[in-house]
Amino acid sequence: EVQLVESGGGLVQPGGSLRLSCASSGFRSGSDYMSWVRQAPGKGLEWVANIKQDGSATFYVDSVKGRFTISRDTAKNSLYLQMNSLRAEDTAVYYCVYYSSTLGWFDPWGQGTLVAVSS
Amino acid sequence: DIQMTQSPSSVSASVGDRVTITCRASQGIRSWLGWYQQKPGKAPKLLIYAASTLQSGVPSRFSGSESGTDFTLTISSLQPEDFATYYCQQANSYPITFGQGTRLEIK
Repeated sequence: EVQLVESGGGLVQPGGSLRLSCASSGFRSGSDYMSWVRQAPGKGLEWVANIKQDGSATFYVDSVKGRFTISRDTAKNSLYLQMNSLRAEDTAVYYCVYYSSTLGWFDPWGQGTLVAVSS
Repeated sequence: DIQMTQSPSSVSASVGDRVTITCRASQGIRSWLGWYQQKPGKAPKLLIYAASTLQSGVPSRFSGSESGTDFTLTISSLQPEDFATYYCQQANSYPITFGQGTRLEIK
């Protein structure tokens, strides 16, 4: 079974930057995208961004457009999220996950990495 | 954006009970609906996709159905390991959106 491991989370001041990484142990058959989904403490799930496996297409939720950049290194089988101009409301656990645009599912999920934005 | 509204927000039930959770989309999403289970401190787990297709390895006591913009997750006979929070998710259009969650607690 494919496993995803996120890293790079931590405490950052408002306005700061952070880069999240996600390493995959293999490839999830049936998926054509990779994604970041976040969950603020005690809150629900929020989709953040998608990238096609070949990097040819990206999509973002409006609240992060212009501040976050999703990218992919297929040779390393890794996913990244560059987060700039961070705000308190970006505080959340960030999950890396495979996505299928043909069936609309997210599976499997990494264990998540916590990003805390605070002064 | 498509809003996904789950009901109830929380429900208490006993082992062996039949439980139904509903998710309503603010506009038509065809069958682009998934259900996820999340336990405290853990990542979500895919249960059902395309409104009614059971993910491999998920027990058959879980089922999904749809009627227009209303979607239902049913657990036919609750087991102790089913007490968790459940989320619906639409994939009909961007931005992909989730329901606010339904917390299933032990009575």
